Amino acid sequence: DAGVIQSPRHEVTEMGQEVTLRCKPISGHNSLFWYRQTMMRGLELLIYFNNNVPIDDSGMPEDRFSAKMPNASFSTLKIQPSEPRDSAVYFCASSLRFQETQYFGPGTRLLVL
Amino acid sequence: QKEVEQNSGPLSVPEGAIASLNCTYSDRGSQSFFWYRQYSGKSPELIMSIYSNGDKEDGRFTAQLNKASQYVSLLIRDSQPSDSATYLCAVYIQGAQKLVFGQGTRLTINP
Repeated sequence: DAGVIQSPRHEVTEMGQEVTLRCKPISGHNSLFWYRQTMMRGLELLIYFNNNVPIDDSGMPEDRFSAKMPNASFSTLKIQPSEPRDSAVYFCASSLRFQETQYFGPGTRLLVL
Repeated sequence: QKEVEQNSGPLSVPEGAIASLNCTYSDRGSQSFFWYRQYSGKSPELIMSIYSNGDKEDGRFTAQLNKASQYVSLLIRDSQPSDSATYLCAVYIQGAQKLVFGQGTRLTINP
């Protein structure tokens, strides 16, 4: 069975550009999570969905960040406009049910110049 | 006080010895606890989950949970160089209704 799939794996963009990260959770999983990881702040939860509905977006740093989950097999995280301080690794994770084990995708390494 | 705290290390252990990784948490109502391993440049992968007080063993790994002391640990027996990685403790914080990760402990196993 395929794990969590993320694309792109690497993204280099210039400040001010729009960035869209994509995630396909494990089939049958009902919960999806977006994380950001930096050396300074570690692994931070940005937002999570349960049954495609956003439950908690309190970790989204500011209005430049938005996330959607139009169906059970696809989610996007968008940054518009991007800034150098957004440079980080962004992980998507999914779990069968909320509070259960989360399985991580390979991550998207984002560099904003 | 951070919700989940780990010693960032680095922790250096000789090959074949026992590596002991510790984690404390602030929410007394927490019920679910996880240990993840993360190799450099890779994503976190689950090693073990534990939900009840006491020890849980899986091969060379043993997770220990003490809810009264709000403490969870991971022991790695017969440490191998391939165990060198960052180990993340994660606790489901009941009050916040989310999984919170510690900063991670960087472990190095010396041949």
